[in-house]
Amino acid sequence: EAQVTQNPRYLITVTGKKLTVTCSQNMNHEYMSWYRQDPGLGLRQIYYSMNVEVTDKGDVPEGYKVSRKEKRNFPLILESPSPNQTSLYFCASSFWTGGANVLTFGAGSRLTVL
Amino acid sequence: AQSVAQPEDQVNVAEGNPLTVKCTYSVSGNPYLFWYVQYPNRGLQFLLKYITGDNLVKGSYGFEAEFNKSQTSFHLKKPSALVSDSALYFCAVRPISSGSARQLTFGSGTQLTVLP
Repeated sequence: EAQVTQNPRYLITVTGKKLTVTCSQNMNHEYMSWYRQDPGLGLRQIYYSMNVEVTDKGDVPEGYKVSRKEKRNFPLILESPSPNQTSLYFCASSFWTGGANVLTFGAGSRLTVL
Repeated sequence: AQSVAQPEDQVNVAEGNPLTVKCTYSVSGNPYLFWYVQYPNRGLQFLLKYITGDNLVKGSYGFEAEFNKSQTSFHLKKPSALVSDSALYFCAVRPISSGSARQLTFGSGTQLTVLP
């Protein structure tokens, strides 16, 4: 089944404890992206990647890191989480068709930072 | 910078009645427009998109949307609502002129509740 898999789905952590949210897709998509969803704000892009070793900042990159060492994986790293990073996170992927691409989303990872 | 407005946080409709979820946008030049739906505890799923051509776009699950350039709107519609349509709906826009993968902007979402 074609899918985007995120782990963990739920996580409660404490301020300053490094964590990684993994994202993997099995569709050979070159484009991958991370979003955070907050009430009243919709989805905001954190980082995106156009292909292996090619990443760039989205609208809200502060406090996050990413890497793209393999085409299928795009982990999101929070080096020192803070309470304002409590949110619902989504990974998405697609073939890049110049802007009209349709995203396939993961099921989401709900993160709480105490 | 582009923007998307979904003026209604919540829309309630009776089952069997037509539904409309509103979306207006602001973008430089012509847009690509999208609707996505999010069911509880699930990721977003693609419903439909407008690229060019016919202003009426048909998508999944009987949904359709009408692109209105003069009103800069892309309202989502369905002739007869089902209880199973209850979900959170997101409109999104990207300017055609932009090759940037960054410039996809989502609205804040509209919670649709279909009452039995």
